[in-house]
Amino acid sequence: GNSVTQMEGPVTLSEEAFLTINCTYTATGYPSLFWYVQYPGEGLQLLLKATKADDKGSNKGFEATYRKETTSFHLEKGSVQVSDSAVYFCALTSSGGYQKVTFGTGTKLQVIP
Amino acid sequence: DVKVTQSSRYLVKRTGEKVFLECVQDMDHENMFWYRQDPGLGLRLIYFSYDVKMKEKGDIPEGYSVSREKKERFSLILESASTNQTSMYLCASILQGPSNQPQHFGDGTRLSIL
Repeated sequence: GNSVTQMEGPVTLSEEAFLTINCTYTATGYPSLFWYVQYPGEGLQLLLKATKADDKGSNKGFEATYRKETTSFHLEKGSVQVSDSAVYFCALTSSGGYQKVTFGTGTKLQVIP
Repeated sequence: DVKVTQSSRYLVKRTGEKVFLECVQDMDHENMFWYRQDPGLGLRLIYFSYDVKMKEKGDIPEGYSVSREKKERFSLILESASTNQTSMYLCASILQGPSNQPQHFGDGTRLSIL
């Protein structure tokens, strides 16, 4: 079956530091890949997505590239802010199967001033 | 914008009670989902529904049931609540179609079973 593995947290960074959160996946066929973000006290919201190999998703300064050869979708941001403190989930959806999503376990990011 | 509304943000119930968690979406989505979120385990799918009165078990359905009498509403039922069901519960919905669409989430219900 499908699975998503992402780096353990929590991750603590100083403001303006570079962020990488690693994500690798196992799936049949050609899944779509997502990063969701969960701010404190809220549900998940889409941060970015990529739907085919070599696609780059980007939003709010975050980027991730769909790497089929390494089955990875690492999240990066060049300069984090305190407001980026949240939990980040890597996820995938395969075609068929009622659009069920397979989530990673989440990585908590804390950015300190 | 899609709005997914969960009826309670916080709920405290007692062991053995029957508990209802309600979720309503306003965008005519066919597919709806219930997850529980626990530290270190991420999101785990409890049940989902792809049409009115249709339901499918997810990965952890034991101790739960669901009801979908109307397209916009999807209810999660804890038949006899137990302390190990203390968790954050998240509802999500999505329009049926290609797999490249994201799910839309409610803000969650933090349920404590005493």
